[in-house]
Amino acid sequence: DAKTTQPTSMDCAEGRAANLPCNHSTISGNEYVYWYRQIHSQGPQYIIHGLKNNETNEMASLIITEDRKSSTLILPHATLRDTAVYYCIVPTSGGSNYKLTFGKGTLLTVNP
Amino acid sequence: NAGVTQTPKFRVLKTGQSMTLLCAQDMNHEYMYWYRQDPGMGLRLIHYSVGEGTTAKGEVPDGYNVSRLKKQNFLLGLESAAPSQTSVYFCASSYSIPAKDDEQFFGPGTRLTVL
Repeated sequence: DAKTTQPTSMDCAEGRAANLPCNHSTISGNEYVYWYRQIHSQGPQYIIHGLKNNETNEMASLIITEDRKSSTLILPHATLRDTAVYYCIVPTSGGSNYKLTFGKGTLLTVNP
Repeated sequence: NAGVTQTPKFRVLKTGQSMTLLCAQDMNHEYMYWYRQDPGMGLRLIHYSVGEGTTAKGEVPDGYNVSRLKKQNFLLGLESAAPSQTSVYFCASSYSIPAKDDEQFFGPGTRLTVL
């Protein structure tokens, strides 16, 4: 998988927007950017993914830079339940790649 | 829909014992996966399946076997458990593969301790 770099931890105030950055400077033109999160002791949860255009769903927005070398996950109104480890993943394209490579992610702590 | 379920939720084994972890999905997904997660680390793929009757090795397959006799079930077996297999095991399923624009759905995990 293309290497991703994320900050180890971030804090956010409840009700404010949480902006989680990810660098993926070696991404190829047809590789997607995925975001998952893992709340303590639970299974990972899919959040959003995108290729080139910005994406939005009921959970979050994904902003991908024009050169695709970085992206930002935005939780528009963070709540205490959004405290989790957030993983930015770029699965390798081509061939038969079935693997999601989970790095260490960003621990987001939402404070009251 | 129940999504992805795992049985059991917790288990304690003695070294050398065997056990089977069961994963079931009701989304008619073709692809199923077994991951393990150790403290402070990300998930690592053990085995996966691209359809009923097929299995393949992931990045850490040693000490584990799998079977996919039915499309909705994926079994992970430990023939002779070792303390190094103490971990949290997650099952996942998907309709397609991540490289082709598709998400994986994860189960709640099985916490296994080998003494």
